[in-house]
Amino acid sequence: AQSVTQLGSHVSVSEGALVLLRCNYSSSVPPYLFWYVQYPNQGLQLLLKYTTGATLVKGINGFEAEFKKSETSFHLTKPSAHMSDAAEYFCAVTLASGNTPLVFGKGTRLSVIA
Amino acid sequence: NAGVTQTPKFRVLKTGQSMTLLCAQDMNHEYMYWYRQDPGMGLRLIHYSVGEGTTAKGEVPDGYNVSRLKKQNFLLGLESAAPSQTSVYFCATREVVYTFGSGTRLTVV
Repeated sequence: AQSVTQLGSHVSVSEGALVLLRCNYSSSVPPYLFWYVQYPNQGLQLLLKYTTGATLVKGINGFEAEFKKSETSFHLTKPSAHMSDAAEYFCAVTLASGNTPLVFGKGTRLSVIA
Repeated sequence: NAGVTQTPKFRVLKTGQSMTLLCAQDMNHEYMYWYRQDPGMGLRLIHYSVGEGTTAKGEVPDGYNVSRLKKQNFLLGLESAAPSQTSVYFCATREVVYTFGSGTRLTVV
């Protein structure tokens, strides 16, 4: 069965600094990988996804993530944090084939300090 | 373009009461899911459906039942609510990308 580990339940960065949120996955077959963002008291919004093709994927709001098969990682980055980036971020994995449900990590809360 | 609609948005139940959460989609997706979100636990799958008339258990199914009598609706039932079921519940549908509803915040006192 697939699983996701998000390193760091809470990450704090200064405004303008690099954002790096870590995600490692476990999957026996090729995965589809996702990052979602959740703002306070709201639902989940898709930031970006990796299915096939280019391993560096760009998403909304300036975020990007790189699929590294050798490291089983899918870390989320943004060059310069903005106050509006403060939210909870979830990494999720499903299998490329079949109807396996999406499995989520436990989430990382990002705080941005002025 | 409603997408995925969850009702109700908020509910307070007393221990032992029952209720049904409704998830309705207008995208004609086959797959539908119910997740619960708890602090520090991420989202955990309760039950899911791969098509009309089908249901399957997820990671945390105990205390819940589901039905998918119509393709566009996926119902989540709590027969006898417990305080441990206080949570935020999210419904989702899927083609390649999952689309989530806005959630139902349930408190069991």
